Amino acid sequence: DAMVIQNPRYQVTQFGKPVTLSCSQTLNHNVMYWYQQKSSQAPKLLFHYYDKDFNNEADTPDNFQSRRPNTSFCFLDIRSPGLGDAAMYLCATSIEGNQPQHFGDGTRLSIL
Amino acid sequence: GENVEQHPSTLSVQEGDSAVIKCTYSDSASNYFPWYKQELGKRPQLIIDIRSNVGEKKDQRIAVTLNKTAKHFSLHITETQPEDSAVYFCAASRGGGNKLTFGTGTQLKVEL
Repeated sequence: DAMVIQNPRYQVTQFGKPVTLSCSQTLNHNVMYWYQQKSSQAPKLLFHYYDKDFNNEADTPDNFQSRRPNTSFCFLDIRSPGLGDAAMYLCATSIEGNQPQHFGDGTRLSIL
Repeated sequence: GENVEQHPSTLSVQEGDSAVIKCTYSDSASNYFPWYKQELGKRPQLIIDIRSNVGEKKDQRIAVTLNKTAKHFSLHITETQPEDSAVYFCAASRGGGNKLTFGTGTQLKVEL
C-alpha cells in the first residue's frame, strides 16, 4: 500500500497559470519534503517542514510556496509556472531528522 | 555546504558480475549515507543506508562501505541481475534538519 501519495501523477498547466500539487502520508512522519527532479538529474530539495516549522532552501525561487495544514498533508504551490519549471516533483517523508526518507511516486508537471 | 561527487556516471556490466559505485563527500560532519535506486519514471527507493559509526553494512547482494577518514563510501552489488538496471543515487546528511545532499547519479545497465 502506498504510504506517501501524490496527486495528480501528471499535471499539465499553462505558462503563468498557478498550479497546486498535493502530497499525503499515512506514516505519521514529522518531516515532509518537496524535491524537484529534472531529467537525468538528482532530486533537488526545495523546502521541508519539520512538523509545522517551514524550512526554505536558499536557492528555491519565490515562485514556489508550500503549505502543510496538518501532519498528513503538504502542498506545493507554483504561482506563475515558467517553462523551466517543467519537472518531476517528488514528496518525501521521514519520521525524524536524519532518518530514512520515503518518497512518493511524484507528479510530472508539464507547462504549455 | 556539503558536496557529494559520484562516479561513474554510467556503468555497464554483464549479468552475474559485480558493480561498484563510489561517492565522496566534503563535510566531515556528515553522518548518514543512504543509497537510492530509481527506475525510469518511478520514485527513488531506499536500498541501503549506513551511519558513520559503522564501516560496512550488507543486505543480501547489496553492501555499502564507509571510509570516514577518506570521506568516501561505496555501493557494491554482487551477482547483478537485469532488474538491477536503474539509476543509483548516493546521498549524505549531517543530521539536524536531515537535508540530504545527493550525488549526480549512476546509470547502471546489466546486460544479458
